[in-house]
Amino acid sequence: GQNIDQPTEMTATEGAIVQINCTYQTSGFNGLFWYQQHAGEAPTFLSYNVLDGLEEKGRFSSFLSRSKGYSYLLLKELQMKDSASYLCAVKDSNYQLIWGAGTKLIIKP
Amino acid sequence: DAMVIQNPRYQVTQFGKPVTLSCSQTLNHNVMYWYQQKSSQAPKLLFHYYDKDFNNEADTPDNFQSRRPNTSFCFLDIRSPGLGDAAMYLCATSREGSGANVLTFGAGSRLTVL
Repeated sequence: GQNIDQPTEMTATEGAIVQINCTYQTSGFNGLFWYQQHAGEAPTFLSYNVLDGLEEKGRFSSFLSRSKGYSYLLLKELQMKDSASYLCAVKDSNYQLIWGAGTKLIIKP
Repeated sequence: DAMVIQNPRYQVTQFGKPVTLSCSQTLNHNVMYWYQQKSSQAPKLLFHYYDKDFNNEADTPDNFQSRRPNTSFCFLDIRSPGLGDAAMYLCATSREGSGANVLTFGAGSRLTVL
């Protein structure tokens, strides 16, 4: 079966750095996405990786290793507004999007 | 601003009473999706339309139906809602053939079943 694993919940301090990991086992690979979802709201797109390496976008960076089936989302200079769930999703060989259950990130002052 | 709009944002219904949720988009995207998301769970794809072609997920209950009368609008009909259908329903769009095919979501319709 196809599977996306991410931690259920993480806690970090305002101003710090946090890394949210995602491992996947899918039938084929056509890209990995990270979405942010605030409580009670819709997901919003953060990043896309299709080649190995690091993609940086402001305070957020996303890394991919296809050989390891692994990605992480790195959030720097954490702000209270970063408290949200972070969803990892992989597009498989049929271009179907397989979603993880999300990591709830709690930011403390 | 181009966007995806869902109505209503909150819907309360009684057990077995039909519900229709709507989605409209001004992005001119050719693919529209309906997802069901329960608390702390991954979004679950119910159906999607690729242009006019309707694609039903194998495990989507018959209780759920969808219509796309034109490229801008899409409806989700729940014929006889049960308590287990209480969830957030998310409409999303994408433009296939545009590289990453990023999904743009509407704000969601939260369904409560009494």
